[in-house]
Amino acid sequence: RKEVEQDPGPFNVPEGATVAFNCTYSNSASQSFFWYRQDCRKEPKLLMSVYSSGNEDGRFTAQLNRASQYISLLIRDSKLSDSATYLCVVMGAGNNNDMRFGAGTRLTVKP
Amino acid sequence: DAGVTQSPTHLIKTRGQQVTLRCSPKSGHDTVSWYQQALGQGPQFIFQYYEEEERQRGNFPDRFSGHQFPNYSSELNVNALLLGDSALYLCASSAFGVTTNEKLFFGSGTQLSVL
Repeated sequence: RKEVEQDPGPFNVPEGATVAFNCTYSNSASQSFFWYRQDCRKEPKLLMSVYSSGNEDGRFTAQLNRASQYISLLIRDSKLSDSATYLCVVMGAGNNNDMRFGAGTRLTVKP
Repeated sequence: DAGVTQSPTHLIKTRGQQVTLRCSPKSGHDTVSWYQQALGQGPQFIFQYYEEEERQRGNFPDRFSGHQFPNYSSELNVNALLLGDSALYLCASSAFGVTTNEKLFFGSGTQLSVL
């Protein structure tokens, strides 16, 4: 089983649509969780952290369920500029930055 | 203030050759992590360097080795290249002991093609 698993995608949605991505992780000791965005042939960039209480940043909402080891990302009112690959990232405990990435889900928003 | 810089940006090698990739961390950062990202996959953790020592390692063979210099810059070496080593190699820098992800910065990567 992979450490971090994501919806295989790809997701092709029209502008204005709401789209949700899911992610599960295998290591119950994981402490920190994030969503990264990666544009084609570019480096990953942090989109948002994910907190147990859930958190929102504009059109983006992230949720974490530790009991189910499940993370989600909801994008409302999709824009063309949201087209990218979204990576689910899980980080261990302790003083390290060893991040484990999911394979990513490709999103294409069409006019 | 330069961010994380990697060189070269692109590289073409043949099977069996050796390659060295370089990374200069963001100013003020002392920890460098290397990732391999194959086409259509997420980045996979190779190893992390701090105080010129390998601190953690992912599931990669010994053909993958690294080094960190006193100025915190780092090299990734891959020996006996295989076709499957073709990937985008990403370097990420951070300040040791900082666990918040906002403090982790990626370079733009080196695209390695093995023919």
